[in-house]
Amino acid sequence: KAGVTQTPRYLIKTRGQQVTLSCSPISGHRSVSWYQQTPGQGLQFLFEYFSETQRNKGNFPGRFSGRQFSNSRSEMNVSTLELGDSALYLCASSLFLAGEETQYFGPGTRLLVL
Amino acid sequence: GESVGLHLPTLSVQEGDNSIINCAYSNSASDYFIWYKQESGKGPQFIIDIRSNMDKRQGQRVTVLLNKTVKHLSLQIAATQPGDSAVYFCADGNTDKLIFGTGTRLQVFP
Repeated sequence: KAGVTQTPRYLIKTRGQQVTLSCSPISGHRSVSWYQQTPGQGLQFLFEYFSETQRNKGNFPGRFSGRQFSNSRSEMNVSTLELGDSALYLCASSLFLAGEETQYFGPGTRLLVL
Repeated sequence: GESVGLHLPTLSVQEGDNSIINCAYSNSASDYFIWYKQESGKGPQFIIDIRSNMDKRQGQRVTVLLNKTVKHLSLQIAATQPGDSAVYFCADGNTDKLIFGTGTRLQVFP
């Protein structure tokens, strides 16, 4: 079974621009979560989607948003990019059935904001 | 708020020795924990998980121990190999969002 895929893998943007990252979950997984990883803050939860609905949200400003499509694929968007948004953005998917909550991660999208 | 922390930022072990990576958590209601391994340039990879109704779980060369009394868990890697070199994270999976510890970098030297 194919794993979680994320595109693009690398991205360079300038301050003020906006960016959209894409995530395709493992086939059959309906829950998709997004995390930001930086050397200073570690892995931090952004938001989680299930059946096209945002179920949970972390402590990030409104510039960070996401959505999920009917095929469970998800996108996240960051508007008005700041230097501090440079990070590895990770997507994780899970079945989210009782006893099957384990989240499996993709390789991430490394975003550099100049 | 809830937090998860690891005891050592870096652990150096000799190839063939056993490794023990420790983690503490703050939420006494947490009932599900996961260990992830992250190699350079890759996303976290699931290693093993444990629920609070267990105090030990074994996988291939790995064992996780959970001590709910002191809110501590550990990951033991037997016969550590160079391929085990990575950053290891414990995560509290009690809610829909994972709460990660800061990670321990495991370095394996010959």
